[in-house]
Amino acid sequence: GENVEQHPSTLSVQEGDSAVIKCTYSDSASNYFPWYKQELGKGPQLIIDIRSNVGEKKDQRIAVTLNKTAKHFSLHITETQPEDSAVYFCAAGDAGNMLTFGGGTRLMVKP
Amino acid sequence: EAGVTQFPSHSVIEKGQTVTLRCDPISGHDNLYWYRRVMGKEIKFLLHFVKESKQDESGMPNNRFLAERTGGTYSTLKVQPAELEDSGVYFCASSQGVWNSPLHFGNGTRLTVT
Repeated sequence: GENVEQHPSTLSVQEGDSAVIKCTYSDSASNYFPWYKQELGKGPQLIIDIRSNVGEKKDQRIAVTLNKTAKHFSLHITETQPEDSAVYFCAAGDAGNMLTFGGGTRLMVKP
Repeated sequence: EAGVTQFPSHSVIEKGQTVTLRCDPISGHDNLYWYRRVMGKEIKFLLHFVKESKQDESGMPNNRFLAERTGGTYSTLKVQPAELEDSGVYFCASSQGVWNSPLHFGNGTRLTVT
């Protein structure tokens, strides 16, 4: 089955700096790669996703890149703000729509 | 539009007892999923309903777990009898279509088995 590795497990940045979270996956059949943000006491919320026919996608301060050959994808957050502090999860999915999640990254943005 | 709702938000039970978790998906979403996060580890897939049918239950850990979705609306997940290792946060998610439609998660039920 699919295996998703996520790094780093914790990330601390200064407000205004950029944050990068990286994930690798094992199953070449995976074709859907969403990123979720989980705030304390809430469920994961989709923030951006990318499909395998696209190499990069951007939405304001958030961007995701995908390298299918190397089987890795990354989340980039620019101009970080304190409200970006949360746990971020990457995931990989196939046509059956079952998602395999990475272990999560706790991002702390220091004001 | 109301989101995915889960009840209860927290449950503390003793080992050997029974607990039933409930999930109400977004109205009109045929796909309903159960996931679990144990001890701060990754979020793991449990099972997937399409309407009232179990599409994939490969993630269910053992026969102490029973999921139902009568009538294709809300779903319940029963743990009987509960064990200590069942403690964690149980998430429900729903989606509209099948082909990689975005999953919308509920806030989860935190289950503590003592």
